[in-house]
Amino acid sequence: AQSVTQLGSHVSVSEGALVLLRCNYSSSVPPYLFWYVQYPNQGLQLLLKYTTGATLVKGINGFEAEFKKSETSFHLTKPSAHMSDAAEYFCAVNPGYQKVTFGTGTKLQVIP
Amino acid sequence: GAGVSQSPSNKVTEKGKDVELRCDPISGHTALYWYRQSLGQGLEFLIYFQGNSAPDKSGLPSDRFSAERTGGSVSTLTIQRTQQEDSAVYLCASSLDSNTEAFFGQGTRLTVV
Repeated sequence: AQSVTQLGSHVSVSEGALVLLRCNYSSSVPPYLFWYVQYPNQGLQLLLKYTTGATLVKGINGFEAEFKKSETSFHLTKPSAHMSDAAEYFCAVNPGYQKVTFGTGTKLQVIP
Repeated sequence: GAGVSQSPSNKVTEKGKDVELRCDPISGHTALYWYRQSLGQGLEFLIYFQGNSAPDKSGLPSDRFSAERTGGSVSTLTIQRTQQEDSAVYLCASSLDSNTEAFFGQGTRLTVV
């Protein structure tokens, strides 16, 4: 069975600083990987996804993530945090034709 | 429809009553998911449909919870004899198949008083 671990339920960064949200997964087969974002009082929306091909994936709002098979990781980064990035971020894995499994989420706080 | 639609958006019910939550997935999406998000908590998986069948219902918290999907489209999550701990936002998502990204509805906020 697949699983997703997000390290750190809360992360705080200063405005303009690097954002790094960690995600590790376990899967018996090469997975599809996703990051979703949930702004306060809103539903989840897709930020970016990895399926096949290039391991560095770019998403919306300047976010990107790199699939590292050897480390079973799919960490989310953004070079410079903006106040509007404050939200909850969820990593998800799908090993293929099975249900999507979500991590427990990381709340990002951006300090002015 | 253009997106995943959930109704009602808000529901307040008395403890012990039954409630039905509805999800209209994106047209043509074969996979459908129900999740629960309690205040300050992450996503709790409830049930997954592929077509009309539910290969994984392992997340349903008790036998008071049930879900069905008809015509490979609309799904209904039913909670019988609601309890205060059932208060949460119930999210529905659908995907073209179980290999692609899921699109979420805005959720139903359930409050049991």
